[in-house]
Amino acid sequence: QKEVEQDPGPLSVPEGAIVSLNCTYSNSAFQYFMWYRQYSRKGPELLMYTYSSGNKEDGRFTAQVDKSSKYISLFIRDSQPSDSATYLCAMRGYGNKLVFGAGTILRVKS
Amino acid sequence: DTAVSQTPKYLVTQMGNDKSIKCEQNLGHDTMYWYKQDSKKFLKIMFSYNNKELIINETVPNRFSPKSPDKAHLNLHINSLELGDSAVYFCASRLLGGEETQYFGPGTRLLVL
Repeated sequence: QKEVEQDPGPLSVPEGAIVSLNCTYSNSAFQYFMWYRQYSRKGPELLMYTYSSGNKEDGRFTAQVDKSSKYISLFIRDSQPSDSATYLCAMRGYGNKLVFGAGTILRVKS
Repeated sequence: DTAVSQTPKYLVTQMGNDKSIKCEQNLGHDTMYWYKQDSKKFLKIMFSYNNKELIINETVPNRFSPKSPDKAHLNLHINSLELGDSAVYFCASRLLGGEETQYFGPGTRLLVL
């Protein structure tokens, strides 16, 4: 079993839809939780970062962490075609090593 | 200005060859990483250097040898290339103790024939 599980999709939604992306993890030592976005043929870029449990909002994006369930989510409101990308969850404990999920491919159709 | 740059962007080579990939960052970061992304987009850390010191060394064949001549550079040399080495290799950098973001380079697409 992988430390971080993420459904690879693809997830296809119409423009304007609310998108929900999720990851589960098994290592209870994880404290820092991130979502990276990767466009085709580009490097990943950090989208959202949350420390420990709770919610964080940034514009159309909301990240949620539920450490009791070992479950993290990323919500995208009013999705746009420009949101079409691969979304990678990532997490780490107090060490330096970041563990990534497999990534979910999102396609937003106009 | 490119924050994290990698050369080459594409590398096509024969099995058994030796090749190197170079990475440079101009962000003033002290920590650099090598990741491998396979065909299924799974991104896995290989190595990390902090101030030229190796701090992460995952279970990677010893045909892969990283080298950090200074804080701004991290190179990856691969000996005796195998078909399974075909992947995209990403370099990333970060300031330890600073913001959480790792800044990734554009990737080097390696194809071993």
